[in-house]
Amino acid sequence: DAGVIQSPRHEVTEMGQEVTLRCKPISGHNSLFWYRQTMMRGLELLIYFNNNVPIDDSGMPEDRFSAKMPNASFSTLKIQPSEPRDSAVYFCASSFSSSDYGYTFGSGTRLTVV
Amino acid sequence: DQQVKQNSPSLSVQEGRISILNCDYTNSMFDYFLWYKKYPAEGPTFLISISSIKDKNEDGRFTVFLNKSAKHLSLHIVPSQPGDSAVYFCAASGVRGGKLIFGQGTELSVKP
Repeated sequence: DAGVIQSPRHEVTEMGQEVTLRCKPISGHNSLFWYRQTMMRGLELLIYFNNNVPIDDSGMPEDRFSAKMPNASFSTLKIQPSEPRDSAVYFCASSFSSSDYGYTFGSGTRLTVV
Repeated sequence: DQQVKQNSPSLSVQEGRISILNCDYTNSMFDYFLWYKKYPAEGPTFLISISSIKDKNEDGRFTVFLNKSAKHLSLHIVPSQPGDSAVYFCAASGVRGGKLIFGQGTELSVKP
């Protein structure tokens, strides 16, 4: 298995532009998570899905952020419009419920909004 | 409100000595705890876990200790090796497989 695949690895965009981050979870995993890493707050959970259904989006900072999981093999995190304070590394992770081994993370997308 | 806290942003240890990384939590409903290791430009990778029914779990050089009354856990690495240099995150969950709440991370540097 290729693991959790995120794209792009790096994204530089201008303030006000729409940004879409993509994630392909591990086949067979039924939970998917989006995290954001910042120096001050570490890894923050933004939203998670179970069996493609959003379960908890309380970590989504504001309405500019949205996430979808149209099928078991694909998810997107969209920011519209983007702002400089959104600059961070965004991680996607997947897991199989009741696993002892926590999540498998992707390599992340480093977003820079200028 | 930071439910999981790692109060030491960094730690430096000599090769061969013990590394002790600490983590505190506030939510008494947390039942499952994990440690992740992260190298630059990579995603975090699972290292070791412990459930609340135990107070210790060991895997090779890595041991996690849980003190429920103090709401504190720690990761011991013995002996420390230069390849252990990374950022270590502790995480907690109310149920196995549920959402994980992470701390801010501690950057460990093991000097040769």
